[in-house]
Amino acid sequence: NAGVTQTPKFQVLKTGQSMTLQCAQDMNHEYMSWYRQDPGMGLRLIHYSVGAGITDQGEVPNGYNVSRSTTEDFPLRLLSAAPSQTSVYFCASSRLGTDEQYFGPGTRLTVT
Amino acid sequence: AQSVTQLDSQVPVFEEAPVELRCNYSSSVSVYLFWYVQYPNQGLQLLLKYLSGSTLVKGINGFEAEFNKSQTSFHLRKPSVHISDTAEYFCAVRLNRDDKIIFGKGTRLHILP
Repeated sequence: NAGVTQTPKFQVLKTGQSMTLQCAQDMNHEYMSWYRQDPGMGLRLIHYSVGAGITDQGEVPNGYNVSRSTTEDFPLRLLSAAPSQTSVYFCASSRLGTDEQYFGPGTRLTVT
Repeated sequence: AQSVTQLDSQVPVFEEAPVELRCNYSSSVSVYLFWYVQYPNQGLQLLLKYLSGSTLVKGINGFEAEFNKSQTSFHLRKPSVHISDTAEYFCAVRLNRDDKIIFGKGTRLHILP
């Protein structure tokens, strides 16, 4: 059972480049989310989804896009990378309701 | 909108001493509350959760938390900490079954020998 997988683990981008962070889960979870973790800021919610075809903004959505075409996948797109997007990105999934979230291993992104 | 406040960014405590990590939330409705732990260079894992019922919740690794609705708090406690408890601890809140989950800024627990 793979759980939540994220690729890549590390990425370096130049300012202005675009890229997609991949997230997949094999637990048939309806809820998926993306967070960024920065020192002293905790985990901040970027976007989330409660099912295929449904997405919504979190606390810090600017500069990021998401889509949810299948239950399993929830990619995060950086449209034009900025140094302020240097961070560790975590994807998580859960059943709807009271269930705990299961986190992926994270992607460490550096924008120069 | 819901929010979570972790009052201490860092908490130093001697090994085998008790510890309390504080968490307050803001919401006018019933919530679901969680504590997660992140060990160095690892992802997050669930320590415990409050859904309903008994206000004292027991989790893994000897941790427990008490839900206090009147004070909108969900403080995490352990009666005797070990060096292996060195980690960052996050409190999180969810308003209802279809809602997003918001995290606090985290509390770093430093265990002193």
